[in-house]
This record gives sequence, structure tokens and C-alpha cells, in this order.
Amino acid sequence: GIQVEQSPPDLILQEGANSTLRCNFSDSVNNLQWFHQNPWGQLINLFYIPSGTKQNGRLSATTVATERYSLLYISSSQTTDSGVYFCAASYSGAGSYQLTFGKGTKLSVIP
Amino acid sequence: SAVISQKPSRDICQRGTSLTIQCQVDSQVTMMFWYRQQPGQSLTLIATANQGSEATYESGFVIDKFPISRPNLTFSTLTVSNMSPEDSSIYLCSVEGGTGVHQETQYFGPGTRLLVL
Repeated sequence: GIQVEQSPPDLILQEGANSTLRCNFSDSVNNLQWFHQNPWGQLINLFYIPSGTKQNGRLSATTVATERYSLLYISSSQTTDSGVYFCAASYSGAGSYQLTFGKGTKLSVIP
Repeated sequence: SAVISQKPSRDICQRGTSLTIQCQVDSQVTMMFWYRQQPGQSLTLIATANQGSEATYESGFVIDKFPISRPNLTFSTLTVSNMSPEDSSIYLCSVEGGTGVHQETQYFGPGTRLLVL
């Protein structure tokens, strides 16, 4: 199955700084999603982005499917951005939609 | 997007007992998923539950240990049977609930935090 690797595993930022999180995947995908798990455990879907670039406020994401990676950009970070960011991917060619999750990037934004 | 609720939100159980977790969605969905997140780890898919058919289990998970029901298009249950401390995890329900071309977008419930003593 698809392997998903995320880097860095841990990241500490000063409030207001920018950051880039990376997700590499081992095979072709047509489904790639980024999630944020807040310190209380709730998982929030940030982007559905199998290819191209999307922006939502201070967050943006880019997936280059041909090179098998995706990037999540966080600008002007805030303490509320703290938590774990997961990338998840799948290939649904045979009607299979099961996402494979990476191990996540734990982000701590300090005031 | 889909709004998902789970019950219970947390529980402490004795080894050897069973716990049933409920997942309720505010709209009809075809596919529902159950994940396990062990402490400090990523999410692992347990099974996919479609209404009207047997759940499909991932490698390492069996129906006797994690029986699943899916009686209708808005509800599912996951039972953790004959629990041991290794079952202590967060159990998450999710659905695909995007609109238009993004139907594969997944949304998660708040999770059930289980501690087995």
C-alpha cells in the first residue's frame, strides 16, 4: 500500500513565524488531505488537495502529484495553530477510499 | 461538511469487559470509517462500514474483537471486545462528506478516549 512520510516530526515556532510542513507519498494518489488535530484531540479537515494549490486564510497547500509530495504552509503562526498536522493519502482506482495517514508533524507555537 | 457525534466521549473500563461506541452523523452517508489512535501515534484504520453489508476489516483487525454494526445511513457502532490495556486508545469515527467534486473529503467525530485498567 501507499506509504506516507511527514517531516519534520516536531516543530517549535515563535508566534508570528512562518513554516512549511512536508508530506511525501510512495505511489500515485488521487486523494490527499491535510488535517489538524488540536490539543483536545479533535481532527479538522484543512484541505482536500490531490493536486494543485489551495489557500484558506493563513494556510495554503500545494500538491505536486507527479513528484509525489505535498506542502502545507502556515503563515503568521498563532498559538491556536498548535497541535499535530497529519497528511493522509489514498488511490481510489478500485473504489477504495481508505486513507493512509502519515505519523504527523507536532507543531508548538509559543508566544 | 458533516457533523458527527460520538458516545461516550471517554470511558475507563476493566480488562475483559466490552465497550460499544456509537457514531451518529447529521446526514446520510454511504461509507463510515472507524480508526484507532494509540497514545502519541498516528491514525490506523480498523474497518470500513457500509450500510447493508458486512464491514471490511484492515489487516490486524478482526470482527470477533471489533464487531461493527451499520443499521442505517446515519449511524454505526463499534464494539471493543474482551478489552486489555493494549486497547487503550482514542477511537474515531469518520465519514466522507464533501460536496460536488470533493466527495472524498473526510470528516471526523470528536473521538472516544478509552482507558483499560
